[in-house]
Amino acid sequence: GIQVEQSPPDLILQEGANSTLRCNFSDSVNNLQWFHQNPWGQLINLFYIPSGTKQNGRLSATTVATERYSLLYISSSQTTDSGVYFCAVRLQGGSEKLVFGKGTKLTVNP
Amino acid sequence: NAGVTQTPKFQVLKTGQSMTLQCAQDMNHNSMYWYRQDPGMGLRLIYYSASEGTTDKGEVPNGYNVSRLNKREFSLRLESAAPSQTSVYFCASSEDYSPLHFGNGTRLTVT
Repeated sequence: GIQVEQSPPDLILQEGANSTLRCNFSDSVNNLQWFHQNPWGQLINLFYIPSGTKQNGRLSATTVATERYSLLYISSSQTTDSGVYFCAVRLQGGSEKLVFGKGTKLTVNP
Repeated sequence: NAGVTQTPKFQVLKTGQSMTLQCAQDMNHNSMYWYRQDPGMGLRLIYYSASEGTTDKGEVPNGYNVSRLNKREFSLRLESAAPSQTSVYFCASSEDYSPLHFGNGTRLTVT
């Protein structure tokens, strides 16, 4: 099946710093999403981004489908950005299944 | 707009007991999913339903059954709970080519 790898596995930042999270996938996809799981366990959809670039406030994401990776940028990080960030992909021509990476745990210190 | 609602939020079972996790969505989505989350493993798909009346196995279906009762509701049943099923369970829903929406999860402990 499709492999989804996220890096780095852990990231510690000071408030105000910028960061880039990466998601690599092993096959062509037609669906890629980024999620944030907050410290209370809630999973929030950040971006639906099978290709191209999107921005939402301090967060932006870019997917280069032909090179099989996606990047999530967090600028001017805040303590509320802490949590785990997951990417999930669906294989092109495959079923409805979304396969998740193991996540990047982000800690933003004040 | 409630989104995706899961019940219960917490549950403790003894080995061999059965239970059903309930999930309902009010967004008129066709597709619904059950995932489990374990430390260091990310989210793994148990079962999904692409439309009312259909269900398919995901990565880790053993020990579970599902029912897509109608378009709104998708339940997950553990017939004989085992300690290996201790996990956090998430229900989710979506339309084709649109964001996935999660419920708040059910934390299940099997002793």
